[in-house]
Amino acid sequence: AQSVSQHNHHVILSEAASLELGCNYSYGGTVNLFWYVQYPGQHLQLLLKYFSGDPLVKGIKGFEAEFIKSKFSFNLRKPSVQWSDTAEYFCAVTQGSTGTASKLTFGTGTRLQVTL
Amino acid sequence: DSGVTQTPKHLITATGQRVTLRCSPRSGDLSVYWYQQSLDQGLQFLIQYYNGEERAKGNILERFSAQQFPDLHSELNLSSLELGDSALYFCASSGLAGGGEQYFGPGTRLTVT
Repeated sequence: AQSVSQHNHHVILSEAASLELGCNYSYGGTVNLFWYVQYPGQHLQLLLKYFSGDPLVKGIKGFEAEFIKSKFSFNLRKPSVQWSDTAEYFCAVTQGSTGTASKLTFGTGTRLQVTL
Repeated sequence: DSGVTQTPKHLITATGQRVTLRCSPRSGDLSVYWYQQSLDQGLQFLIQYYNGEERAKGNILERFSAQQFPDLHSELNLSSLELGDSALYFCASSGLAGGGEQYFGPGTRLTVT
């Protein structure tokens, strides 16, 4: 069964610091990769996604992620965080090709706290 | 706003009872997914329906069941509730049968006392 690991459970950064959140998955076949964000008291929102093509994907709010197939990784980055980025971030994977895969397998999440 | 709606927002009930959670997908989406989010288990996939048919099953207990109706809304039925069923239950929808991005609703917070 596939699994998703997020190494950082709780990250505290000052505003304007750079962010990198790690994500590794354990499936050797074709995967679709996602990062979701959950602001306090809110539902999950899609930050960005990777299906194929350029392994560096850009999402909303200045976030980007890089797919490194050889490392089974899909790390999330942002050059300069803002206080409003305080939230929980989830990496998720579906296996198989678009149209055939189904459920999202989520990592345990990383709580990001940005201080002023 | 993702376009996915869920009702009710909060539900408090006693052990042994049965509840029904409702989800309306985004307009045009045929797939509905149910997830459970709890502190100890994280986000777990429960079940998926595509155009009225069950398509995939995850860690869904036998006490739980779901269905998708012809108008594409879905209901998740939880019966013989236990304290451990207290969680946030999210519904998500997608335009594809599988693999595409999923858009999440606001969730239903279930508290079993």
